Amino acid sequence: QVQLQESGPGLVKPSQTLSLTCTVSGGSISSGGYYWSWIRQHPGKGLEWIGYIYYSGSTYYNPSLKSRVTISVDTSKNQFSLKLSSVTAADTAVYYCATVPAATHVFDYWGQGTLVTVSS
Amino acid sequence: EIVLTQSPGTLSLSPGERATLSCRASQSVSSSYLAWYQQKPGQAPRLLIYGASSRATGIPDRFSGSGSGTDFTLTISRLEPEDFAVYYCQQYGSSLPMYTFGQGTKLEIK
Repeated sequence: QVQLQESGPGLVKPSQTLSLTCTVSGGSISSGGYYWSWIRQHPGKGLEWIGYIYYSGSTYYNPSLKSRVTISVDTSKNQFSLKLSSVTAADTAVYYCATVPAATHVFDYWGQGTLVTVSS
Repeated sequence: EIVLTQSPGTLSLSPGERATLSCRASQSVSSSYLAWYQQKPGQAPRLLIYGASSRATGIPDRFSGSGSGTDFTLTISRLEPEDFAVYYCQQYGSSLPMYTFGQGTKLEIK
């Protein structure tokens, strides 16, 4: 069974870049058939898809965040990463990484999530 | 962008009762790409239903999904204490591509 674990700073200053990494175990990012995705949840609110990457490096982002988001993959480490630039308090959220089977386009395995607070 | 609207916002029921949760889309959604999730406090969402009506691995058969077009329903036939949580619907739009979630329905103990 695939397991995912997010890691990165829990506190980021306004205008800086938020950086998170998702480490995958129990499966290989390079095996194909999955999109590797980031989702966030503002405190007490609903879920917002941020974007995904395929093992080949192809990406797609939520248009509302596209100008600030970069998702990359390191197949040698079985990790994928999120960078969100020019953050504000509105980017304070729990950030999840998740797997998306290409056949069903659902989020079937999730990390536990990591809270990132944007504050000076 | 397709908007998913869930109703009711909060549903108060007792264990043993039947729960019916609604998800309405602003335009037609492919049934193949409509899913439901359960989220408990402090936990990540858990996939319950995909393809509008297929149960994910390990999901009890008291959970069922139905619907097509713009109207979808999650039914919990007989509520267990562990079913009280927030439920989200989610769709995938292949034309963009784009994933969107409903705002959630909180199922609370009456």
